[in-house]
Amino acid sequence: EDQVTQSPEALRLQEGESSSLNCSYTVSGLRGLFWYRQDPGKGPEFLFTLYSAGEEKEKERLKATLTKKESFLHITAPKPEDSATYLCAVQGPGGGNKLTFGTGTQLKVEL
Amino acid sequence: DAGVTQSPTHLIKTRGQQVTLRCSPKSGHDTVSWYQQALGQGPQFIFQYYEEEERQRGNFPDRFSGHQFPNYSSELNVNALLLGDSALYLCASSLRGLQETQYFGPGTRLLVL
Repeated sequence: EDQVTQSPEALRLQEGESSSLNCSYTVSGLRGLFWYRQDPGKGPEFLFTLYSAGEEKEKERLKATLTKKESFLHITAPKPEDSATYLCAVQGPGGGNKLTFGTGTQLKVEL
Repeated sequence: DAGVTQSPTHLIKTRGQQVTLRCSPKSGHDTVSWYQQALGQGPQFIFQYYEEEERQRGNFPDRFSGHQFPNYSSELNVNALLLGDSALYLCASSLRGLQETQYFGPGTRLLVL
């Protein structure tokens, strides 16, 4: 069964203090690894899809990387508006597109 | 470009009742998936619909059922509600394909008393 573990569970940063979130996964035949951002009471907002080890993608202050066992979401010089829960999900083999999610990292960026 | 929409936004029901939640996919998408998200947890996959048929199902009992209409919109039905069914129900849409990204709606918050 596919498994996703995210760490840390919660992270508090000062504005401008860069850090990384970790997503470790176990899946037989990864088809895709997805990062989403979720604000309280709202649906997840798509950030990145990574398909193969070594792949990297960037968007503003965020950069996602992928290895064969884990993915990192690097946040450079974060701002208070980056505060949210960041969810990682994997898509395994099979004909459907079921996503298996981790429990997320709750990020708080303070002034 | 309209994103994924869901209705209602909030719902309060009593144990044993039945509920129907609705979802309209993002323009151009033909596949709808439903997820349940309990407080403090990641979303859990319920099932996926494509071409008006259930194509894949997660570990949810038969009390959870769904439907997809010819215009690709979808409904999630839950019978015999339990207190544990209280959660945020999320609909996600995508294009049929092996590596297509799913885009989520705002969710329906269900409270079972």
